[in-house]
Amino acid sequence: AQTVTQSQPEMSVQEAETVTLSCTYDTSESDYYLFWYKQPPSRQMILVIRQEAYKQQNATENRFSVNFQKAAKSFSLKISDSQLGDAAMYFCASINNNDMRFGAGTRLTVKP
Amino acid sequence: DAMVIQNPRYQVTQFGKPVTLSCSQTLNHNVMYWYQQKSSQAPKLLFHYYDKDFNNEADTPDNFQSRRPNTSFCFLDIRSPGLGDAAMYLCATGGGRASGANVLTFGAGSRLTVL
Repeated sequence: AQTVTQSQPEMSVQEAETVTLSCTYDTSESDYYLFWYKQPPSRQMILVIRQEAYKQQNATENRFSVNFQKAAKSFSLKISDSQLGDAAMYFCASINNNDMRFGAGTRLTVKP
Repeated sequence: DAMVIQNPRYQVTQFGKPVTLSCSQTLNHNVMYWYQQKSSQAPKLLFHYYDKDFNNEADTPDNFQSRRPNTSFCFLDIRSPGLGDAAMYLCATGGGRASGANVLTFGAGSRLTVL
C-alpha cells in the first residue's frame, strides 16, 4: 500500500498571509490520486483539493493550490490570503484502487 | 441534505460490552469505508467494501467486524470494546461518478467512549 508523510505537525500563519503545507508520498502505482482534506475541530472531514497523478497541471481551487512534483513524489498545499476559518487539521491523502491512506496531519493555526 | 449519515454521533459503552455503529448513504456509492481516528491522529483504515466485496486491513483486530446488507448501509461491530478502542469512527463512501473519481465523502463520525 502507498504511504503518505506529513513532516509538519503544526503550522501557523497570520491572517491574510500565505502558508504552504508539505506532503510526500510513496507508491509503486502509476495511476493514483492525491488529495488534501480539512478537518475543523469537532467537525466533518471535507475535501479541499484533489490532483490526478496523470495530470501535469497543478490543481487550483480558489485560494487553495497545490505544487505537484511527481518525480519527487511531493504534493504541497498552498493557502493564499489565509482566513480564520482555515484553522483546522489538514490531511494529505493518496488513493489507488479504492485504497485511501492519510498522512499524520498538520494542525494549522491562523492568527488574527 | 446530509449524504453520509452516522449513528449514533456519541456512544458510551462499558468495557467488553458489544457496540454497533451504523452508516447510511444517499449517494449510491459503490465503496464504503470504516476508519478509526484517535485524538489528532490520521484516520486509520479498518476495512472497506467494494459493493459486497469485503477488504480487511491486515492489522485490523478480529474484535472489529463489519456488515453491509445493502448499498446504502454499512455497520461496524465492536465485539468486546477495550479502553484502547475509544476513538472517533469515520464512515466514508467513494466511487460515485457524481462526486468525481476517487473522492471520498465522509460522515460526521461516531465518537466512542469506553468506560
